Amino acid sequence: EAGVVQSPRYKIIEKKQPVAFWCNPISGHNTLYWYLQNLGQGPELLIRYENEEAVDDSQLPKDRFSAERLKGVDSTLKIQPAELGDSAVYLCASSFPTGETETQYFGPGTRLLVL
Amino acid sequence: AQSVAQPEDQVNVAEGNPLTVKCTYSVSGNPYLFWYVQYPNRGLQFLLKYITGDNLVKGSYGFEAEFNKSQTSFHLKKPSALVSDSALYFCAVRDFVDSSASKIIFGSGTRLSIRP
Repeated sequence: EAGVVQSPRYKIIEKKQPVAFWCNPISGHNTLYWYLQNLGQGPELLIRYENEEAVDDSQLPKDRFSAERLKGVDSTLKIQPAELGDSAVYLCASSFPTGETETQYFGPGTRLLVL
Repeated sequence: AQSVAQPEDQVNVAEGNPLTVKCTYSVSGNPYLFWYVQYPNRGLQFLLKYITGDNLVKGSYGFEAEFNKSQTSFHLKKPSALVSDSALYFCAVRDFVDSSASKIIFGSGTRLSIRP
């Protein structure tokens, strides 16, 4: 079974440029998450989708970040414009909702460097 | 709000020796606890979870974790460490925002280094 797929794996951009990350979850997983992981820290949730609905985006900086999951499968996370402090690893995860016991499965992440 | 703490930034163990990676938690209800491992340049991999039942939970790669309610701990253990166990380990707890939503809160991570 294929895992969570993310692309690109690495991205280097200059500040003020836009950038987009793509995620394809495990087949059949209704729930999709985007996390931000800074160096030496644990992942922090940015947004969570149940099918195509964003059910928790309270931690998403909406002035520059946006996300979509139009058909309830693939998702895109966008930053526009990027700032130096956005340099981090962006992780996508998915899960099949079994309630409280659901396990999240993570993709390899996209490592972003903003110069 | 729920929280989880990993008091050690780094743990060093000789190959073949037992290892423990510590985790303590704070929850207002029943705890749902997880351990994940992250190898270099890779995403997090699920190791094990505690929901209810037996306090000793067995997971992948020979790891196990012991849930201790009185000490609010969920330490990760392995009887005999391998060099290949060297990685970054994250403890996590499920935070129930409300009855219809929840999210996982991750600790800051512990780097495990196994020397040959």
